[in-house]
Amino acid sequence: EVQLVESGGGLVQPGGSLRLSCAASGFTFSSYAMHWVRQAPGKGLEYVSAISSNGGSTYYANSVKGRFTISRDNSKNTLYLQMGSLRAEDMAVYYCARLTGEYNWFDPWGQGTLVTVSS
Amino acid sequence: DIQMTQSPSSLSASVGDRVTITCRASQSISSYLNWYQQKPGKAPKLLIYAASSLQSGVPSRFSGSGSGTDFTLTISSLQPEDFATYYCQQSYSTPVAFGQGTKLEIK
Repeated sequence: EVQLVESGGGLVQPGGSLRLSCAASGFTFSSYAMHWVRQAPGKGLEYVSAISSNGGSTYYANSVKGRFTISRDNSKNTLYLQMGSLRAEDMAVYYCARLTGEYNWFDPWGQGTLVTVSS
Repeated sequence: DIQMTQSPSSLSASVGDRVTITCRASQSISSYLNWYQQKPGKAPKLLIYAASSLQSGVPSRFSGSGSGTDFTLTISSLQPEDFATYYCQQSYSTPVAFGQGTKLEIK
């Protein structure tokens, strides 16, 4: 079964740091670009970051550029999101997702991990 | 960056109704348009890819159409399990972008 499982969310103070992980299984992880999408409470989906299959190319939304770092370890089938200088507006459920197919759809998605930024 | 606009933002309907949700791209995206369903507390689920292709396991009452800038998601006969929020997503260019969502509620 193709599966993504996020971990690492939790409560962090404004200005703090947190590292999210996304463990992949059931497919050849090293062959796919991987992505992070977040959803603030009661809001829509926001595309956050992406990394190419070999890690050589990355993308960040303007809202997180310079504060977040995406990386991957293909030997461990794991995707990471290092988040720093966290703000209240970063509070959200963070999903990892695989982009696949000729027309680039997200499937599967992880179950999400909640990041709460509060003092 | 390409912007995606969905309408309506919310919709009340009854079981058995036919419902249509619209998604418009700020520039042509060919058929690079996907639709997702999200229920409270759950991750989004792929319904339609490439504008009109039904994902495996998705009921045939769901259908998608359109190309270029204008797209629609249609549910032919609403079932109780269809009440959820629906998102379109363009995958024509980086960054991918989502519409703001359409919340489908029970009338």
